[in-house]
Amino acid sequence: SQTIHQWPATLVQPVGSPLSLECTVEGTSNPNLYWYRQAAGRGLQLLFYSVGIGQISSEVPQNLSASRPQDRQFILSSKKLLLSDSGFYLCAWSPEGGRNTIYFGEGSWLTVV
Amino acid sequence: RKEVEQDPGPFNVPEGATVAFNCTYSNSASQSFFWYRQDCRKEPKLLMSVYSSGNEDGRFTAQLNRASQYISLLIRDSKLSDSATYLCVVIGSSYKLIFGSGTRLLVRP
Repeated sequence: SQTIHQWPATLVQPVGSPLSLECTVEGTSNPNLYWYRQAAGRGLQLLFYSVGIGQISSEVPQNLSASRPQDRQFILSSKKLLLSDSGFYLCAWSPEGGRNTIYFGEGSWLTVV
Repeated sequence: RKEVEQDPGPFNVPEGATVAFNCTYSNSASQSFFWYRQDCRKEPKLLMSVYSSGNEDGRFTAQLNRASQYISLLIRDSKLSDSATYLCVVIGSSYKLIFGSGTRLLVRP
């Protein structure tokens, strides 16, 4: 069966510090991968999606970046965090081909102070 | 107009009640539809897909109305454990899923 792992689960970072969130998927090949953010009391915002190694599409302008160094690894990064980057970050995957439902990791709670 | 809209609620109902949520979408070319459930401070989890003919899973029934561009979720015999936020999800002509902001349900004893 397929599983998705995301870490760290929680982190508190000062403004201006870097960020790295990592996500890996097991049990499938060439998945579509996603990073979402959910601010407090708000809906899910798609940040990045990837249909293959090295292929990243950005949905919104921001100080975040994403990379997919391996087929089942997706990394969300920032060089300098802003207060507005606080939120609940969710990695997700869907089977290759699109138009499929997606499955989320357990999420990472980021508080920028 | 948002691509996917939901009443944020909260819907506050007693145990055993029947409750229904609607979700409207703006893109008539949308192909796939789902309902997710999200518990407080947790990740969303797939509740059920929504098929054109409507579908049922135990106490949950999902309906699609393409003409009016909305989907619905009906929960019968509500349980305390049904308290959560219910997210409507629509997939259009790309790999991207569009999430509604969610409808919060509170089931009271």
